[in-house]
Amino acid sequence: DAGVIQSPRHEVTEMGQEVTLRCKPISGHDYLFWYRQTMMRGLELLIYFNNNVPIDDSGMPEDRFSAKMPNASFSTLKIQPSEPRDSAVYFCASSRSTGTGEQYFGPGTRLTVL
Amino acid sequence: AQKVTQAQTEISVVEKEDVTLDCVYETRDTTYYLFWYKQPPSGELVFLIRRNSFDEQNEISGRYSWNFQKSTSSFNFTITASQVVDSAVYFCALSPLQGAQKLVFGQGTRLTINP
Repeated sequence: DAGVIQSPRHEVTEMGQEVTLRCKPISGHDYLFWYRQTMMRGLELLIYFNNNVPIDDSGMPEDRFSAKMPNASFSTLKIQPSEPRDSAVYFCASSRSTGTGEQYFGPGTRLTVL
Repeated sequence: AQKVTQAQTEISVVEKEDVTLDCVYETRDTTYYLFWYKQPPSGELVFLIRRNSFDEQNEISGRYSWNFQKSTSSFNFTITASQVVDSAVYFCALSPLQGAQKLVFGQGTRLTINP
């Protein structure tokens, strides 16, 4: 079975540009999570969905960040406008509600905002 | 509030040495899960193990073993006869048993195994 798929793997953009990160969860998983990893703050949960519905977005840094999950197999995290402090690795993870809580992570998207 | 503390920021040992990574957690929940994840240099996070709070039996998987002690709120991870391929950042994490599946991660321990 394919794991969590994220694209792009690397993104370099200039300050002020819109950035869209994409994620395809593992088939059959009904939870989807977006995390951000930086040296300063470690791994932070930004938002998570259950059955395509956002459950908790308290970790989203500010209004420049938005996330959607239009269907069970696709989610996006958008930053508009991007700023240099958004530079980080963004991970998507998925899990099953009938499972025992372990989340499976994608390879991450390394975002650099110049 | 839930919190996971990995006091060891970096550990460096020589290959074949045993090494223990410490994890201490705080939670008001009476039931919860504890996890360990590995992040190798390639960057992805790999699930290693999950324990639930009512099962304090230690677990061994090959060279890896985990010691869960509820009395001290600790969930330590030992690698026996370490190998260079064990070099990675290791994260301990905590989540409620029921309901929301939010994981709270520790800051991670960077383990370097030197040949």
